Amino acid sequence: SQTIHQWPATLVQPVGSPLSLECTVEGTSNPNLYWYRQAAGRGLQLLFYSVGIGQISSEVPQNLSASRPQDRQFILSSKKLLLSDSGFYLCALGGTHGYTFGSGTRLTVV
Amino acid sequence: GESVGLHLPTLSVQEGDNSIINCAYSNSASDYFIWYKQESGKGPQFIIDIRSNMDKRQGQRVTVLLNKTVKHLSLQIAATQPGDSAVYFCAENPWGNQFYFGTGTSLTVIP
Repeated sequence: SQTIHQWPATLVQPVGSPLSLECTVEGTSNPNLYWYRQAAGRGLQLLFYSVGIGQISSEVPQNLSASRPQDRQFILSSKKLLLSDSGFYLCALGGTHGYTFGSGTRLTVV
Repeated sequence: GESVGLHLPTLSVQEGDNSIINCAYSNSASDYFIWYKQESGKGPQFIIDIRSNMDKRQGQRVTVLLNKTVKHLSLQIAATQPGDSAVYFCAENPWGNQFYFGTGTSLTVIP
């Protein structure tokens, strides 16, 4: 069966520091992968999606970037975090019956 | 879209009552829909789905209704329990494996 792993669960980072969130999947090959952000009390905002290695589509211009170095690995990065980057980040694995979401990373930029 | 920046609509129900959560979808080409439940601090979880060739589908204590004429989807939860407190998202699938999520509704069950 397909599984998705996302870490870390929580992260507190100072403004201006770099960020790297990792998402890996198992039980599938060539998956569609997604990064979403969710501000407190708000909806899901699609940040990036990838249909294959090295293929990244950005949905909104921002301080973040994504990379897909391996088929089952999707990374969300930033060179310098802003206070507005705080939020709940979710990785998702696409499938014919919807998305399977990771457990999320709560990022607080201080 | 723009709606992700807005505060979630909220719904409060008494324990034991039925809940109805509504969703308006945008693409008339969407032929598959899913409801997700997101508990606090967790990722959304699949609840129930429905295809466009149906107008109703029932699960355990949940029912999804689809009205394609007005592009409206609803989730009914029978005998709502405290464990049902969560944010509920609808998602539509207009093409391929790409899904688009609604704004979400925050459900609070009052004991």
